[in-house]
Amino acid sequence: KQEVTQIPAALSVPEGENLVLNCSFTDSAIYNLQWFRQDPGKGLTSLLLIQSSQREQTSGRLNASLDKSSGRSTLYIAASQPGDSATYLCAVTPMEYGNKLVFGAGTILRVKS
Amino acid sequence: KAGVTQTPRYLIKTRGQQVTLSCSPISGHRSVSWYQQTPGQGLQFLFEYFSETQRNKGNFPGRFSGRQFSNSRSEMNVSTLELGDSALYLCASSKEQSSYNEQFFGPGTRLTVL
Repeated sequence: KQEVTQIPAALSVPEGENLVLNCSFTDSAIYNLQWFRQDPGKGLTSLLLIQSSQREQTSGRLNASLDKSSGRSTLYIAASQPGDSATYLCAVTPMEYGNKLVFGAGTILRVKS
Repeated sequence: KAGVTQTPRYLIKTRGQQVTLSCSPISGHRSVSWYQQTPGQGLQFLFEYFSETQRNKGNFPGRFSGRQFSNSRSEMNVSTLELGDSALYLCASSKEQSSYNEQFFGPGTRLTVL
């Protein structure tokens, strides 16, 4: 059974700091890994999608890496801003029939101005 | 291009009632998945529909059911509501049948069971 773990559970940093969020998964048989952002009481916004054959993806100040063999992914946020404050979730699509995401519990990020 | 829409956004029901939630995917997307989010269990997969067929199902009791229409819109039904069904219900859509596709989420329906 695929399990996804995110560390740390919560993180508070001053504005401008670079930070790294960690995600690990137990079964390397995945199609892809996706990072999402969730603001309180809202839906999920897709940030980055990394296919199983890729090592990393970049979008603006965000960079996500994937090491499928070790079951790890990191989300790097450069020059953090107060507007980055949210819960960040990682999810994998296991290699079974259909589209199904298995989520981690998330990292609650607070960027202080 | 409009995103994934969900209706209603908020619902209050009492134990024993039933409820139907609706999800309209992004235009051209044919896969719709449903998730339940609670503070204790996090995000859990309910089921996925593609071309009106259920392709995958999570570990939820039979009180949770769904369907998809020919225009790809999907509905989720919960019968005999329990207090523990209070949650944010999210649906996601993706374009193709392939599991390599990015999934896009709607704003969710907040269900409160009293």
